[in-house]
Amino acid sequence: DAGITQSPRHKVTETGTPVTLRCHQTENHRYMYWYRQDPGHGLRLIHYSYGVKDTDKGEVSDGYSVSRSKTEDFLLTLESATSSQTSVYFCAISGTDNYGYTFGSGTRLTVV
Amino acid sequence: DQQVKQNSPSLSVQEGRISILNCDYTNSMFDYFLWYKKYPAEGPTFLISISSIKDKNEDGRFTVFLNKSAKHLSLHIVPSQPGDSAVYFCAAPPPGKRDDKIIFGKGTRLHILP
Repeated sequence: DAGITQSPRHKVTETGTPVTLRCHQTENHRYMYWYRQDPGHGLRLIHYSYGVKDTDKGEVSDGYSVSRSKTEDFLLTLESATSSQTSVYFCAISGTDNYGYTFGSGTRLTVV
Repeated sequence: DQQVKQNSPSLSVQEGRISILNCDYTNSMFDYFLWYKKYPAEGPTFLISISSIKDKNEDGRFTVFLNKSAKHLSLHIVPSQPGDSAVYFCAAPPPGKRDDKIIFGKGTRLHILP
């Protein structure tokens, strides 16, 4: 399986604080994605990247920014966390045997 | 508006019986579909896919059926086993894509009863 790790696995933060989630891959894949999973909504695309410094917005990008300065790292930042951003965040990479994505194990973020 | 719809939030099936998970889509241009399986505290994992040029794809106990005229696909699990208890996501990439900006349904939680 492709190596993809997310950190931290769990985080509790206060409303209004900045938070950065990290996705790291060891497979040198160009395409990377951030999704959030919420009850009743499934998986929704936040941002994606086609390569270093090549990022774009997904379906639910408001309140989030991303950066990709190296192929292996894709960072998701909540500039000022809100309770509505309490969710489970998944990073994914594509280009693995045409089977869609390989996902990381997720980061559970709670904003209090 | 949801392009990939899973209208059953949950499903309970007796062990050994057939599990049928349904998915509908609205974009008739979708040409590739995937099913993912997700256990608690883990990321989704690929289960099975189907191209729109086929109406059936089988992999062991898992079979996906595609009805293009109805814009409907279904995942059949036969026989159902306890390890099949998970959330299943139906998904489709934009037309012409295979693994880019995939659109997911809301998921169906499958409970396999002993």
